[in-house]
Amino acid sequence: GQNIDQPTEMTATEGAIVQINCTYQTSGFNGLFWYQQHAGEAPTFLSYNVLDGLEEKGRFSSFLSRSKGYSYLLLKELQMKDSASYLCAISKDNAGNMLTFGGGTRLMVKP
Amino acid sequence: NAGVMQNPRHLVRRRGQEARLRCSPMKGHSHVYWYRQLPEEGLKFMVYLQKENIIDESGMPKERFSAEFPKEGPSILRIQQVVRGDSAAYFCASSPTLDTEAFFGQGTRLTVV
Repeated sequence: GQNIDQPTEMTATEGAIVQINCTYQTSGFNGLFWYQQHAGEAPTFLSYNVLDGLEEKGRFSSFLSRSKGYSYLLLKELQMKDSASYLCAISKDNAGNMLTFGGGTRLMVKP
Repeated sequence: NAGVMQNPRHLVRRRGQEARLRCSPMKGHSHVYWYRQLPEEGLKFMVYLQKENIIDESGMPKERFSAEFPKEGPSILRIQQVVRGDSAAYFCASSPTLDTEAFFGQGTRLTVV
């Protein structure tokens, strides 16, 4: 089976940096995804990691350690519009986009 | 290129009625995935389809739920004899191949009264 854990809620200040952690246990692994979801809207793809290391994309970076079953999403220079849920999801071997999602982390950015 | 289109955006059904949720994938996308998001919970995979074929339905409830993706037209998720516990947001995603990024639609919010 698969199990994904991430904090339920986080609060951060505008302009700051926040790190959202995700730990997982899975019998097969084909990559880890991060999605952003504003309330009542569709999840939007942020990043995909399949190899260990850091992937940087503008203000957002994602890190993966397969041996530790651990990932984090790093958001820099926080803006109010970054207030959203951040979803960690994993794909099993040959599963492509049949993803197992964590419960999501609700991030609140305060002025 | 329009995104993944789902309709209706909101659907209200009485207990025992049928709900039909439609998903038109992005142009050129032949892989469709349905997910369900219960209130305050994460997304749960339901079914993966390619044109005219169900590839994996391991996340689909055994009864009352069915999905299709015909040669022509949108993918349909059908829920028969709906119950209050079916109230959720149902999201469809599509991708051009199995291993490329999937794009999500805006979802259909089903409320069973």
